[in-house]
Amino acid sequence: ETGVTQSPTHLIKTRGQQVTLRCSSQSGHNTVSWYQQALGQGPQFIFQYYREEENGRGNFPPRFSGLQFPNYSSELNVNALELDDSALYLCASSLARSYEQYFGPGTRLTVT
Amino acid sequence: SQQGEEDPQALSIQEGENATMNCSYKTSINNLQWYRQNSGRGLVHLILIRSNEREKHSGRLRVTLDTSKKSSSLLITASRAADTASYFCATVDNRDDKIIFGKGTRLHILP
Repeated sequence: ETGVTQSPTHLIKTRGQQVTLRCSSQSGHNTVSWYQQALGQGPQFIFQYYREEENGRGNFPPRFSGLQFPNYSSELNVNALELDDSALYLCASSLARSYEQYFGPGTRLTVT
Repeated sequence: SQQGEEDPQALSIQEGENATMNCSYKTSINNLQWYRQNSGRGLVHLILIRSNEREKHSGRLRVTLDTSKKSSSLLITASRAADTASYFCATVDNRDDKIIFGKGTRLHILP
């Protein structure tokens, strides 16, 4: 059984650019959630995908978008990057209706 | 927005001592979870307590939940150096199932 993986580990982008982060779910998990964690803060819920459909969204603007693929892997896309988007982005997978989430190691995004 | 508020923000104790951290929240919840995070990496799920439960144990962990006070506590007994980490409570809202994390307690175990 493989755990949740994320790529890349680190990323540096310039303000205004676009970024795509990737996540592979734990084997058998059909639900993926994305979180943004600023330094010294707790994770903030961005959105969740279940069976390729968005299944809940936090208080993030539309320039944060996502996809889930048939193999349950997922992407987080952020357009028009702003300096405040610098954070650790965490992906978590779970089984539907199970509240226990399994987190990946995260992608640290720096926007300059 | 962050619902859970952990207290204290930081805690340093000697190895072998017990560590207690608290979490308060604001709305009606389905369940409350505690997670551990080492050095800004991924979170590890520790324990889940449902709204109709009052206490739960897992190894050296003991979690209590008081829904009337909207608070929970996490007790780590006989602390070890490896317990040094940030601990977050996360509530699952009864209305929309969204999981909301607090800001965390940074626990440092002194040798």
